[in-house]
Amino acid sequence: QKEVEQDPGPLSVPEGAIVSLNCTYSNSAFQYFMWYRQYSRKGPELLMYTYSSGNKEDGRFTAQVDKSSKYISLFIRDSQPSDSATYLCAMRVTQGGSEKLVFGKGTKLTVNP
Amino acid sequence: GAGVSQSPRYKVAKRGQDVALRCDPISGHVSLFWYQQALGQGPEFLTYFQNEAQLDKSGLPSDRFFAERPEGSVSTLKIQRTQQEDSAVYLCASSQTPGQNGRKHFGDGTRLSIL
Repeated sequence: QKEVEQDPGPLSVPEGAIVSLNCTYSNSAFQYFMWYRQYSRKGPELLMYTYSSGNKEDGRFTAQVDKSSKYISLFIRDSQPSDSATYLCAMRVTQGGSEKLVFGKGTKLTVNP
Repeated sequence: GAGVSQSPRYKVAKRGQDVALRCDPISGHVSLFWYQQALGQGPEFLTYFQNEAQLDKSGLPSDRFFAERPEGSVSTLKIQRTQQEDSAVYLCASSQTPGQNGRKHFGDGTRLSIL
């Protein structure tokens, strides 16, 4: 079992739909929770960054963390064709002076006009 | 430049050849990371530098992989005697400071294909 599980999809929705993406994790040492967006042949770009359990909102995006269930979600409201990309959840872990991100497999989203 | 720059963008090599991949981080960024992203997968951690010190190389798959950052800026990832399973996108990321507020900026990667 991988440390971070994410349904790879693909997910196809009509423009304007609400999109729900989620990840589960097993390592209690994960401290920070992130969502990255990756367009084809591009590097990941950070969308949302949270630490504690609860919700964090930024425009059309809401990130949700439930540490007790080891479950994180990203909601996209009023989805647009420009949101079509692969969405990666990532969790930061530190150990002995080092740090790294552990990523999920990514969910490929297509928003149809 | 404004972001993390990686070169070459694409590299094709024959099995058994050595390759070198370059990363130019954002100027002044202390932390530098290399990740490997196989097709249809999320990036996987390879190694971490803080300035010129390689603090973690636990993700390097074998002793054929070697990374350096001799002056604390540009980094090179070298793969010796390449094998087909090395085919992947190699991503470099940098952040201004280590620690919890170190937002990581990714380059667009080098797409390596081993024939």
